[in-house]
Parts: sequence; structure tokens; C-alpha cells
Amino acid sequence: AQTVTQSQPEMSVQEAETVTLSCTYDTSESDYYLFWYKQPPSRQMILVIRQEAYKQQNATENRFSVNFQKAAKSFSLKISDSQLGDAAMYFCAYRTGYALNFGKGTSLLVTP
Amino acid sequence: NAGVTQTPKFRILKIGQSMTLQCTQDMNHNYMYWYRQDPGMGLKLIYYSVGAGITDKGEVPNGYNVSRSTTEDFPLRLELAAPSQTSVYFCASSYFVQGSGNTIYFGEGSWLTVV
Repeated sequence: AQTVTQSQPEMSVQEAETVTLSCTYDTSESDYYLFWYKQPPSRQMILVIRQEAYKQQNATENRFSVNFQKAAKSFSLKISDSQLGDAAMYFCAYRTGYALNFGKGTSLLVTP
Repeated sequence: NAGVTQTPKFRILKIGQSMTLQCTQDMNHNYMYWYRQDPGMGLKLIYYSVGAGITDKGEVPNGYNVSRSTTEDFPLRLELAAPSQTSVYFCASSYFVQGSGNTIYFGEGSWLTVV
């Protein structure tokens, strides 16, 4: 069974600073996809960034970037220049085949 | 640009009652899903569908039923509601082709409380 582990239940960052959220996963597949979703208090699931396992280059979306280490099965999310609006739950998810497997999430607090 | 639409957003049920959560998508996606999210947890897959007329169980299907009569609609039926079904329910959809990692799009969630 595939599992996704987020070892940080809570993280805190000051506005304008950088924070990294950790994610590891367990799989025997070679072809898969990884995602970070943001869930604000409204509970809406918002896609932040995605990474294809066959790509060596780390994905980047504006202030969000990932550090994808395939051999280590690690997929961390870096948020640069943190903003108050970044405060949310962040879920790491893994997909091979039809559906996503989610980690338990990391709650990110952004302080002024 | 409606995307994935779920109704109702909030519902309180009494133990033993039944109800249906409605979900519709306008993106012509072949795959649709129902997830539940319990407090402090990630999302768990209840049921999914790969196309009209085809459904299959996910990780936590007990107590639920689904149907997929059209590409657009994927209702989730709760029979004999129990307090353990108190959760936030998400419908989602994706255009999936083997070998691709197409993004899964989520509805805004339905908050269900069973008392």
C-alpha cells in the first residue's frame, strides 16, 4: 500500500520569510505524480503545485517550489516570501493510477 | 466556470436517517470521486467512478452507495446515518488517461453532522 507521511503537524513562519514543509512517501511504482494541496479555513482544496516523477527538474509555481528527491522518496514544499494568505493546512498527495493518497497535513501559521 | 459543484454545503442528520449528497461537474471529466475528511486527518477515498455506469469502492466505502448515470453527476447516498459519518465530504473529478497525472479538481465540500 502506498503511504504518504507528513511529519510536521504544525509549522510557523514570519511574514516574508521562507518555510519548508516535509513529505515522504512509500511506493514501489516508478511512474507516479506528486501534489501539494492547500486547504484554507473554508476547507476548499486548492492545488498548489505538482511534480511528475519522471522529471528530474523540480517544479516551481511563483513563490512555491518543491525539492523532489526520488531515491529518498521525499517531496518537500518551499514557500518563499510567506504571506498572511498562505496560512492554511497543506496536504501532500501521491497519485499512481486513478486516485490520490493524502498525508495527514501540516498546519501552517504565518505571523506578521 | 463552475467546475465541481456539491450540494448541500451543510447538513445535520439524525441517527438512522438517509440522505444524498449531490455532485456535478461541467468539465467532461471521465473520473469522479468521493472523499471524506475527518478532523485532523487527510482525505480518504470512499468511492470512485471511471465513467458513466461504472463505480468502485475506495478505502472507506461502508455505509455509502453511489451511482453514475451520466458523465456529469455522481451522487453519494448515506443510508442509516451514524455518528461516525460526521465528516466533511468532497466530490472531485479528473480527466484520467493511463500514464498521465492529470490534476484532480475538488468541490467546496459538504459538512455533515450526524446527531
